[in-house]
Amino acid sequence: LAKTTQPISMDSYEGQEVNITCSHNNIATNDYITWYQQFPSQGPRFIIQGYKTKVTNEVASLFIPADRKSSTLSLPRVSLSDTAVYYCLVGDLRSNYQLIWGAGTKLIIKP
Amino acid sequence: ETGVTQTPRHLVMGMTNKKSLKCEQHLGHNAMYWYKQSAKKPLELMFVYSLEERVENNSVPSRFSPECPNSSHLFLHLHTLQPEDSALYLCASSQDRGPPFFGPGTRLTVL
Repeated sequence: LAKTTQPISMDSYEGQEVNITCSHNNIATNDYITWYQQFPSQGPRFIIQGYKTKVTNEVASLFIPADRKSSTLSLPRVSLSDTAVYYCLVGDLRSNYQLIWGAGTKLIIKP
Repeated sequence: ETGVTQTPRHLVMGMTNKKSLKCEQHLGHNAMYWYKQSAKKPLELMFVYSLEERVENNSVPSRFSPECPNSSHLFLHLHTLQPEDSALYLCASSQDRGPPFFGPGTRLTVL
């Protein structure tokens, strides 16, 4: 099971672009990369998922280099409401229950 | 918002009580999950129900008992809990190989 490493915390300011990088050196061929956002006392919210190169949706972009040993979640023009914990998970979609959750990155957005 | 509802949202119980947590998903998914999130700890998968199988985390004590009467409903029966069982209990659902979608959670306090 692939393990991920993320920064424990990050700070940024409103209107800035925020990039959170996740390392997953032992990612397997069948593994996908998934990011979630979680506010205090709420369930995690799915943000984006990808396998390689770049994925973009209305909320974020996910950049994955060719070796797939890391990934970067990019949040454009953050606001105070983006203050949350962000989790990077790596796992085989054939068995979602094998996704291993780490401590995540606590992102604090300042005015 | 996510199509997964949980009741109650908050629960306080004594160690001798018996209670049940309820989860309902309105997404037409075919797999449901129970997770536990303790303070300053990563999400821990407790149980999975899918069309193919039921999966249990062997470290979950027998005082937690899941029930899944159909693909839309999931229960977690609680009895003789301990104070260390106080946590946020999260229900999630997914379709086939898709990412889990989480409910808002039940904040459980065991006195």
